[in-house]
Amino acid sequence: DAGVTQSPTHLIKTRGQQVTLRCSPKSGHDTVSWYQQALGQGPQFIFQYYEEEERQRGNFPDRFSGHQFPNYSSELNVNALLLGDSALYLCASSPIGKPDTEAFFGQGTRLTVV
Amino acid sequence: GESVGLHLPTLSVQEGDNSIINCAYSNSASDYFIWYKQESGKGPQFIIDIRSNMDKRQGQRVTVLLNKTVKHLSLQIAATQPGDSAVYFCAEIHQGGKLIFGQGTELSVKP
Repeated sequence: DAGVTQSPTHLIKTRGQQVTLRCSPKSGHDTVSWYQQALGQGPQFIFQYYEEEERQRGNFPDRFSGHQFPNYSSELNVNALLLGDSALYLCASSPIGKPDTEAFFGQGTRLTVV
Repeated sequence: GESVGLHLPTLSVQEGDNSIINCAYSNSASDYFIWYKQESGKGPQFIIDIRSNMDKRQGQRVTVLLNKTVKHLSLQIAATQPGDSAVYFCAEIHQGGKLIFGQGTELSVKP
């Protein structure tokens, strides 16, 4: 079992550009959540996807959007990148039918906006 | 409000000693908490969890204590090892699985 996998691992983008990050959940998991972790901070909840729909959303602007595919994998899109979007983006998945249980995290994608 | 905070940002202990990491939460309705360990360059790793109907739960070398009266959690690590060096987060699970994290405590183990 590969666990939660994210790609790419590192990414450098220019201010104003758009970025897409990808996540494959752990086998047997159908709920995917995305978090942003600034340096020295705890992860902040961006949104959660279940059954290909956004179920919950944190306090992030509409520049942050996502998608979930029928195979449960997910993408996070960020438009009009700002310097402040530089962070580690984490994907977490939860078991089918148990979204309120422990979430398993991927290694994250380190995004640097210059 | 939604916040889970930590009392100390850094903790340094001698190898073999016990470590105690503290966490305060603000939502008295919260009923499920998780401790995560995050090593440099990696995602958070589940350590142990506890539900509000318990006040103590033990794992391998780790114990979590929950005091609902003062809304306080602690993580105790017995016989701390160099491999325990990491940042530790407490997190509160809200309905639907949304995690609210604190800022973290960096544990440094001296040989």
